[in-house]
Amino acid sequence: GQQVQQSPSSLVLQEGENAELQCNFSSTATQLQWFYQSPGGSLVSLLSNPSGTKHTGRLTSTTVTKERRSSLHISSSQTTDSGTYLCAIANTGKLTFGDGTVLTVKP
Amino acid sequence: GPKVLQIPSHQIIDMGQMVTLNCDPVSNHLYFYWYKQILGQQMEFLVNFYNGKVMEKSKLFKDQFSVERPDGSYFTLKIQPTALEDSAVYFCASSLSGNTEVFFGKGTRLTVV
Repeated sequence: GQQVQQSPSSLVLQEGENAELQCNFSSTATQLQWFYQSPGGSLVSLLSNPSGTKHTGRLTSTTVTKERRSSLHISSSQTTDSGTYLCAIANTGKLTFGDGTVLTVKP
Repeated sequence: GPKVLQIPSHQIIDMGQMVTLNCDPVSNHLYFYWYKQILGQQMEFLVNFYNGKVMEKSKLFKDQFSVERPDGSYFTLKIQPTALEDSAVYFCASSLSGNTEVFFGKGTRLTVV
């Protein structure tokens, strides 16, 4: 089945630094989403980006479909960005999630 | 963004009893999903539902599980009977089509004792 590998597994930053999160997947996908899961467990969709580059606020995602990889860049990190970032892919609406990157932003 | 509502947020139930988890999907969405996440573990797909039918289900969707959305009301996940290993957070999600952005609810934390 589809597999999603995320790196790094954890990342610690000082506030203001940038973060680069990676997602590699094993098969073609028509859908790719980045999610934020808060320490309390809620899941929020950040970006839907099956191909190309998308921006929203301080977030930029670049997906290279042929190479089966996507990245999420967080600029000027804030302490409230701390949490788990999940990459998920799908072909028929069934999302397969990676294990996530745990981001800790220190003041 | 679009909101998916889940009721209740927490539920504690005795093993062997029945439980129904309720989800109010985004109003114009047509595809509905349930996912399961055991504490500290990966989010895993359970089932998707479209046009009144289960489209696909995973191995985690045991015979004791059922889903329905009668007459456009709540999209529900019923577990009967519950087992200890059913303790997890269950997330409901919805999307406009099978290949568009999926929006998740905040989850229902189910504890089977």
